[in-house]
Amino acid sequence: GAVVSQHPSRVICKSGTSVKIECRSLDFQATTMFWYRQFPKQSLMLMATSNEGSKATYEQGVEKDKFLINHASLTLSTLTVTSAHPEDSSFYICSAFQSGGAEETQYFGPGTRLLVL
Amino acid sequence: DAKTTQPPSMDCAEGRAANLPCNHSTISGNEYVYWYRQIHSQGPQYIIHGLKNNETNEMASLIITEDRKSSTLILPHATLRDTAVYYCIVRAANQAGTALIFGKGTTLSVSS
Repeated sequence: GAVVSQHPSRVICKSGTSVKIECRSLDFQATTMFWYRQFPKQSLMLMATSNEGSKATYEQGVEKDKFLINHASLTLSTLTVTSAHPEDSSFYICSAFQSGGAEETQYFGPGTRLLVL
Repeated sequence: DAKTTQPPSMDCAEGRAANLPCNHSTISGNEYVYWYRQIHSQGPQYIIHGLKNNETNEMASLIITEDRKSSTLILPHATLRDTAVYYCIVRAANQAGTALIFGKGTTLSVSS
């Protein structure tokens, strides 16, 4: 299947700093990528939809000024957690769709573990 | 609203078949059934998907009932590495701009 990568795999930062997470589709182009967040023992929660060349669409309750998304190319989307606080500590996962006719398949990155101290 | 219903947990002995059920009684005619799994601390992994015919690949088989209101994911010979949370998701075709929405899934525990 298609490959989606994320960098870094884990990051520890101090409260108040900003952290950038990269998501890349390695062997296909993705006009749309998605960002999820997952807290311990919970399922994945969709945060936002990232569209190449346009503004991201955020889910209800997700602060767009805190979670900045940039999708500048067909293979790269970035999520920046601004002024991170301990409650932002979570597992962040990106994904992208690979289209194949009517049967699009969504592939996921390995995730980024963020710990804010 | 959840579009699928899965048991919260299941156990399976190593080497035996794992049969994971999923109910999707409100599925529409143009909606596919997708299965993903998430091993601890990793991103979800695509397993298989189908519309109405049974499907098989190198990882698993997907059996969809004739009325499409339920399906079963079959791991023919479960190993310890198959221990994971398995998600059954229904999604319409031609929806590349919309994300998969995850429910709580089934935690499968494979033991020796």
